[in-house]
Amino acid sequence: KNEVEQSPQNLTAQEGEFITINCSYSVGISALHWLQQHPGGGIVSLFMLSSGKKKHGRLIATINIQEKHSSLHITASHPRDSAVYICAVSSMNRDDKIIFGKGTRLHILP
Amino acid sequence: AAGVIQSPRHLIKEKRETATLKCYPIPRHDTVYWYQQGPGQDPQFLISFYEKMQSDKGSIPDRFSAQQFSDYHSELNMSSLELGDSALYFCASSSKDRHYGYTFGSGTRLTVV
Repeated sequence: KNEVEQSPQNLTAQEGEFITINCSYSVGISALHWLQQHPGGGIVSLFMLSSGKKKHGRLIATINIQEKHSSLHITASHPRDSAVYICAVSSMNRDDKIIFGKGTRLHILP
Repeated sequence: AAGVIQSPRHLIKEKRETATLKCYPIPRHDTVYWYQQGPGQDPQFLISFYEKMQSDKGSIPDRFSAQQFSDYHSELNMSSLELGDSALYFCASSSKDRHYGYTFGSGTRLTVV
């Protein structure tokens, strides 16, 4: 079992829909990251969370430390949001390793 | 706020050539991590540095070497390039205690032809 699990693996939605991507982890963490990667593109850092909730534009990220769970929400989704969204954690249990989820591939249809 | 800077953004090399990728961490970060992400693959940890010393080594080929300099920037040197080296190479930086997580560079996309 992966230490960082994301769901769903793939998601197709219509433009304008509210999107939720989930991340669960099984290790103690000091921070959790949400990253975005467009096809053939580089890494874009969306959020770094250690508690609570953050909002940036149409993106909202939440984390529940007790439940070891984080969600990334996209409101009023747009085709340009189509990308792979990756959850990554900095583990307190493993020296100097970033643990990546396998990503969620999001496709927003116009 | 300044982010992790990687250069170049894109690089095209021929087989058997060499390449040097650079990573500049954000101020006050003393630790740099290098990752390789092949097409459709998960990121693979290559190597990390703390205070200019190698701190951990992952699946880095012997043809690759890396170092961290006195200003904490790091360079990944790749020799005898192979087609299979085509990937996104990204770095991340942190302070050693990682209390504030990592800051990610956008990566260098290397294409070997």
